[in-house]
Amino acid sequence: QQQVKQSPQSLIVQKGGISIINCAYENTAFDYFPWYQQFPGKGPALLIAIRPDVSEKKEGRFTISFNKSAKQFSLHIMDSQPGDSATYFCAARFHSSGSARQLTFGSGTQLTVLP
Amino acid sequence: GAVVSQHPSWVICKSGTSVKIECRSLDFQATTMFWYRQFPKQSLMLMATSNEGSKATYEQGVEKDKFLINHASLTLSTLTVTSAHPEDSSFYICSARDLRHHQPQHFGDGTRLSIL
Repeated sequence: QQQVKQSPQSLIVQKGGISIINCAYENTAFDYFPWYQQFPGKGPALLIAIRPDVSEKKEGRFTISFNKSAKQFSLHIMDSQPGDSATYFCAARFHSSGSARQLTFGSGTQLTVLP
Repeated sequence: GAVVSQHPSWVICKSGTSVKIECRSLDFQATTMFWYRQFPKQSLMLMATSNEGSKATYEQGVEKDKFLINHASLTLSTLTVTSAHPEDSSFYICSARDLRHHQPQHFGDGTRLSIL
């Protein structure tokens, strides 16, 4: 089953704190795991992505941790800022020569960073 | 970076009319375009996938005669909601990707459709 489970549904963090959002998947054929950030009334924007051959990827304040054996991956936002307040979606895509390789999205996490 | 432009950003129309939404890739050629629907505080639901020059592939439960998708060029795809009704009101988001160069999937800013 192509499903990605995301938690928590909502998260409130103080400015300067660390925001952590978790995702778990079942399909071991997934080979690409992006995170998207979405502001109200806007489309999702790609934040950072990882492939299963690495366990961690860092870009600025954003880090993906990937645990292949547990089939889990998480987004860490360091030094969280009020401007980071948005909805975050994890996603996964599997390699297939036949299909267009569409993304399967998690349910989303509403992050609020308090000033 | 890659930009996907979606137009209009907001449309209000009467029940029974048809509405066309355009999705353009501005600085890359989109071999594949995706159309999503998103309800408030929910995730993105894939409606259909289209490859340039081919018929769209619709997800289960999506009426292809209701949601007409055209992907006539490598930079333009359109979604037409035919005979729209209030239950079709939603946030529609397109996305584009160049599969030939293994590029990431980029999203437009969405269209808020309200059917009265």
